[in-house]
Amino acid sequence: SQTIHQWPATLVQPVGSPLSLECTVEGTSNPNLYWYRQAAGRGLQLLFYSVGIGQISSEVPQNLSASRPQDRQFILSSKKLLLSDSGFYLCAWSSGVSAFFGQGTRLTVV
Amino acid sequence: GIQVEQSPPDLILQEGANSTLRCNFSDSVNNLQWFHQNPWGQLINLFYIPSGTKQNGRLSATTVATERYSLLYISSSQTTDSGVYFCAVSRALYSGGGADGLTFGKGTHLIIQP
Repeated sequence: SQTIHQWPATLVQPVGSPLSLECTVEGTSNPNLYWYRQAAGRGLQLLFYSVGIGQISSEVPQNLSASRPQDRQFILSSKKLLLSDSGFYLCAWSSGVSAFFGQGTRLTVV
Repeated sequence: GIQVEQSPPDLILQEGANSTLRCNFSDSVNNLQWFHQNPWGQLINLFYIPSGTKQNGRLSATTVATERYSLLYISSSQTTDSGVYFCAVSRALYSGGGADGLTFGKGTHLIIQP
């Protein structure tokens, strides 16, 4: 069966520091991969999606970037975090009917 | 882009009660999913239901695509049903959205009291 791993679960980072969140999927090949952010107020917003290695599409211009160095690996990065980058980040994968989410990373920028 | 509105925003019920959550969307969609977010933040798939009716235990869902709404029914509520319920839609064939991603509503925050 397919599983999705996301880490770390929680992270506290100072303003101006770099960020790297990693997501990996097991049990499937060539999945579509996604990064979402959930800010206070509950709604989820799509940040990036990838349909293949090295292929990244951004939905919202911002202080973040994404990379897909391997088929089942998706990385969310920032060179310098802002206070507004705080939130709950969720990775998801899909290869057909439904999207499945990781457990999320709660990022607090201080 | 597509607008998704969920109602009610908050709902407090006693254990054993039934509830109906509604999702309205502004344009035709190829994909509609319901999720339950537990208190730890995990998003759990409930239904993939771009049209028709499905049932899974005490939960069922109906989507009337021509009228652009979906309903999630929870019967005989339990405290473990508490959390936020999200409706998410997409116009793309793949559930993740492909070109336009999954668009989420703001959710219904459900609290089931013992």
